[in-house]
Amino acid sequence: KAGVTQTPRYLIKTRGQQVTLSCSPISGHRSVSWYQQTPGQGLQFLFEYFSETQRNKGNFPGRFSGRQFSNSRSEMNVSTLELGDSALYLCASSLSGQRNQPQHFGDGTRLSIL
Amino acid sequence: QKEVEQNSGPLSVPEGAIASLNCTYSDRGSQSFFWYRQYSGKSPELIMFIYSNGDKEDGRFTAQLNKASQYVSLLIRDSQPSDSATYLCAVTLIPDSGGGADGLTFGKGTHLIIQP
Repeated sequence: KAGVTQTPRYLIKTRGQQVTLSCSPISGHRSVSWYQQTPGQGLQFLFEYFSETQRNKGNFPGRFSGRQFSNSRSEMNVSTLELGDSALYLCASSLSGQRNQPQHFGDGTRLSIL
Repeated sequence: QKEVEQNSGPLSVPEGAIASLNCTYSDRGSQSFFWYRQYSGKSPELIMFIYSNGDKEDGRFTAQLNKASQYVSLLIRDSQPSDSATYLCAVTLIPDSGGGADGLTFGKGTHLIIQP
């Protein structure tokens, strides 16, 4: 069974640009969450999608947005990139909408802002 | 604000010994607890999860939960060099409505080194 797939694995952008990251969950998983990981702040929750609806959002500015498609695949978009957005962006999927379900992470997209 | 605290380490343990990793959390409403292992340059990998007070064993791993004291721990028996990694503790709050809740709140992780 394939795991969570994230593309691309690496990205280099410059300040002011925008970027879109993609995540395909484990087959049958309907909940997709996005996290940002940096050395200073650790892993921080961005938002969660279930049945194409954003149910929860972490404490990030509106430049960070996302969406989920009918096949549960999800995309995350960051506009007007800043140097501080350099991070590993991780997508995690879980089987159902229940928050006690374990989340399984993809390999992440490493975003570097120049 | 929910907080999850872990000793950053490094925690050095000789091969074959028991490694004990601890985590405390601030939100008494926290209901689900997860341990992830993260190798350098890799993504987090789920090791254990626990919901009820007490111990839960899976192979060489044992998770222990004490909600009254608000701590959760992970024991690794017969530690191997391949266990050397950063271990992340994560908690989540399940609201009474049963609907979607906040995402996982992670600690900063404990760096574990198993010495051959």
